Amino acid sequence: SAVISQKPSRDICQRGTSLTIQCQVDSQVTMMFWYRQQPGQSLTLIATANQGSEATYESGFVIDKFPISRPNLTFSTLTVSNMSPEDSSIYLCSVVLGEVEQFFGPGTRLTVL
Amino acid sequence: GQNIDQPTEMTATEGAIVQINCTYQTSGFNGLFWYQQHAGEAPTFLSYNVLDGLEEKGRFSSFLSRSKGYSYLLLKELQMKDSASYLCAALDSNYQLIWGAGTKLIIKP
Repeated sequence: SAVISQKPSRDICQRGTSLTIQCQVDSQVTMMFWYRQQPGQSLTLIATANQGSEATYESGFVIDKFPISRPNLTFSTLTVSNMSPEDSSIYLCSVVLGEVEQFFGPGTRLTVL
Repeated sequence: GQNIDQPTEMTATEGAIVQINCTYQTSGFNGLFWYQQHAGEAPTFLSYNVLDGLEEKGRFSSFLSRSKGYSYLLLKELQMKDSASYLCAALDSNYQLIWGAGTKLIIKP
């Protein structure tokens, strides 16, 4: 397994502002993903963070709202832009280790007022 | 379309055995995962099945039938700490995980 960390662990933000979430892995990984999990619900994939190229977004998620950076094989950021209360959620990064197994960071709990 | 079904909630008694079922329909199939998620925490990997049959790992076992699109997670000798949500996820032909809504398992003494 790998050690995956996220910053911040939680934040409370005002409507209309932006928050950047960092994900750091202690080993190089090819595939890294960003998920959202709203209270009491399962995981929703936002995008695949590709190293050296633009992220691949899932239906319903756009780059202007959720810009992603992946400057190297151990780090990625997700920005939640122009936030509204509907963006209140837990944001999780995950990486693929081994052949297909995904492992998750501890998550960032975001509350938008 | 792609779909994962699992029960919303189950209740079991400490020391007993519980089986959590999952059925899936995906575009292609590259394996089935089970994750455990305690409240307020990230999911943790439990098991991965790609071939038919039962995989045992301590108190937890996972079963897969590809022809039936069916899996189950079996938890034995239940402990209070096993109270959590259990997420079933299938890997489709694009190697994307399709997630179930999770089964909340409540353990009673």
